[in-house]
Amino acid sequence: DIQMTQSPSTLSASVEDRVTITCRASQSISTWLAWYQQKPGKAPKLLIYKASSLQSGVPSRFSGSGSGTEFTLTISSLQPDDFATYYCQQYSNYLWTFGQGTKVEIK
Amino acid sequence: EVQLVESGGGLVKPGGSLRLSCAASGFTFNNAWMSWVRQAPGKGLEWVGRIKSKTETDYAAPVKGRFTISRDDSRNTLYLQMNSLKTEDTALYYCTTGGGTYFPDYWGQGTLVIVSS
Repeated sequence: DIQMTQSPSTLSASVEDRVTITCRASQSISTWLAWYQQKPGKAPKLLIYKASSLQSGVPSRFSGSGSGTEFTLTISSLQPDDFATYYCQQYSNYLWTFGQGTKVEIK
Repeated sequence: EVQLVESGGGLVKPGGSLRLSCAASGFTFNNAWMSWVRQAPGKGLEWVGRIKSKTETDYAAPVKGRFTISRDDSRNTLYLQMNSLKTEDTALYYCTTGGGTYFPDYWGQGTLVIVSS
C-alpha cells in the first residue's frame, strides 16, 4: 500500500495568514493526488485534484503543487470559513489511501 | 445536481450483519465507478472498496472476505453488505463517486454503523 504522511498534524494560524500543508507519498504517485476539506459532522469536500487543479466553485486562495512524492496545499490568506481538517489522498491505483489529516485551528 | 444518499446504518452486535444502501442521482450511474470510504469516530478516512460491475470489484485488506459491494443500475443504487462485523468496523460509512484513478468528487452525508455488544 502507498502510505501518505501529512505534516503538521495540527496548525494554529490567524485570519489572513498564509498556510502550507505538506503531504508525502511512500512511492511516486505522479500527480494522482487530491486534497479535501472536512468540517465537523460533514462529508469531505474536494478542493484540489490532479495535484494542482482547482475544483469548480473552490475559492482561488486554495492552491496545490507537487509531483512524485512531495505535495503541498497552500491557503494564501486564511479566512474564518477555512478552519477545518484537511486530508490528502492518492488515487494512483485502485487502493486509495489518505493522509492522517491536518487540523487548522484558530491561533 | 449530484446527490448520494446513504441509509441502513445502525447498532449491531459483533459477528452480525448489516446492509448499507446509497441512492444516487444527478449523473449517469450505470457502469460508473463507485466506492465506499469509512471514518471511525474522531479518526481519518479509510477506503473500503470499489465497484464498476459485478465482476469488477476491489476491497481493502481489513474487509476483504467479509464485505461485499454490489449495485443495481436499474435503481441507481449502490450497496455494501457487511458480514462478520467487528468492533473496529464502527465508523461513518460514505458512498462516493469514483474508483481507482477516478477521484471521489462527490460524497454522500454518510451513515453510521456501530458494532457493539
